[in-house]
Amino acid sequence: DAGVTQSPTHLIKTRGQQVTLRCSPKSGHDTVSWYQQALGQGPQFIFQYYEEEERQRGNFPDRFSGHQFPNYSSELNVNALLLGDSALYLCASSLADREQFFGPGTRLTVL
Amino acid sequence: QKEVEQNSGPLSVPEGAIASLNCTYSDRGSQSFFWYRQYSGKSPELIMSIYSNGDKEDGRFTAQLNKASQYVSLLIRDSQPSDSATYLCAVNIDAGNMLTFGGGTRLMVKP
Repeated sequence: DAGVTQSPTHLIKTRGQQVTLRCSPKSGHDTVSWYQQALGQGPQFIFQYYEEEERQRGNFPDRFSGHQFPNYSSELNVNALLLGDSALYLCASSLADREQFFGPGTRLTVL
Repeated sequence: QKEVEQNSGPLSVPEGAIASLNCTYSDRGSQSFFWYRQYSGKSPELIMSIYSNGDKEDGRFTAQLNKASQYVSLLIRDSQPSDSATYLCAVNIDAGNMLTFGGGTRLMVKP
């Protein structure tokens, strides 16, 4: 049974560029949440998708947007990248409001 | 500001000892509480969930919840060097499934 998968593993971008990160949830899960984890800190909630709609959103600017597809996979898009967007981006999947399981993450470096 | 607080550590314990990790949260309406383990360079791994007051045991791990004191803890019995990691406390504060994380406690188990 495959767990949560994310791609790419690592990514290097320059300021002002746009990036798309991808996530496939664990089999049987229908909800995907995205978190940003800066070095030495706990993850911070970006948003959550359920039934192809954004259900909740954390305190992140509109530069952060997302999408969920009919197969429950999800994308996180970040526009106009800033140096401060450098972080580990984590996708977590769950069955509705049950426990969340994290993927391996995507390490984004903005130069 | 709804917060989750943890001592950043490091907490150093000898092999075979009991490690005690603590977490406080600010929102009395919180209903769900989770402990994640995160090895350096890896993503968080769910190790315990607890929803009602009291103790919950799973192998060498025991989670303790006291909603009146807004306090949740994790005990690790017979600590092993492989338990050395950062332990993240997460709380489901709002309605829905958004997790708010503490900053994590770094645990070091010395042989």
